[in-house]
Amino acid sequence: QKEVEQDPGPLSVPEGAIVSLNCTYSNSAFQYFMWYRQYSRKGPELLMYTYSSGNKEDGRFTAQVDKSSKYISLFIRDSQPSDSATYLCAMSETSGSRLTFGEGTQLTVNP
Amino acid sequence: SQTIHQWPATLVQPVGSPLSLECTVEGTSNPNLYWYRQAAGRGLQLLFYSVGIGQISSEVPQNLSASRPQDRQFILSSKKLLLSDSGFYLCAWSVGGRGNSPLHFGNGTRLTVT
Repeated sequence: QKEVEQDPGPLSVPEGAIVSLNCTYSNSAFQYFMWYRQYSRKGPELLMYTYSSGNKEDGRFTAQVDKSSKYISLFIRDSQPSDSATYLCAMSETSGSRLTFGEGTQLTVNP
Repeated sequence: SQTIHQWPATLVQPVGSPLSLECTVEGTSNPNLYWYRQAAGRGLQLLFYSVGIGQISSEVPQNLSASRPQDRQFILSSKKLLLSDSGFYLCAWSVGGRGNSPLHFGNGTRLTVT
C-alpha cells in the first residue's frame, strides 16, 4: 500500500465549476501538507502549505486537512481554463524533512 | 526574491554516454537542495538531497550521483546512462536550517536516453 493515495483522474469540468481534489494517507505522523500545481513540461509550483488539521484559504483555493480521517482536500472555486494542470499533494512528518508525494490528479477545465 | 535555474530543459543522450545536469539557486544562502525524478504515473522520486557544500545523501542506489561544489549549485551526474534513466529530472530547494519551509522546484530537464 502506498503511503499517499491520489486519484490520477483525469478529471474534466466546465469552466466555473467547483473542483474537489483529494488525497488519503496512512502515516499518522504526517503534520505538514502541501498542494502543488504542475503545468505540462514545467516544475511543480507550490499552491498551498498547511500545518496539522483545519482549513486554509487563498483566493479561489481552499485546502482542508482532516488528520483524524487521514484525508486532505483542495477545493478550487470558479475554476478557469488556466487551472488546467496536474495537482500533486505532498506531506511530511516534520517541516523540511523529506516529502511524500501523491501521483497527481490531471485536471482539465473546459471553456 | 529567490529563483532556481535548471538546464538544459531537454536532453537526448545515447546509452552509455555521460550526463551532467546543473541547478543553481539565487537569492538565498545555505539552502537545502534536492534532485527528484518524475516518471509518468509514478509520482516524484527523491534521488539526492544536500544540506550543505559537499554533503550529499542518496535516497535510491542507482546509476546516478550528485555533487554540491558551491553553496547554491547542485549537479546530477552519471558516467554511463542506461535506458531506464530516461525521465523528468527536477531540482528543488528549501530554506536551510529553518523549519516550516516547503520545497520550490525548477522547471526540470526532460532526459531521453536512446
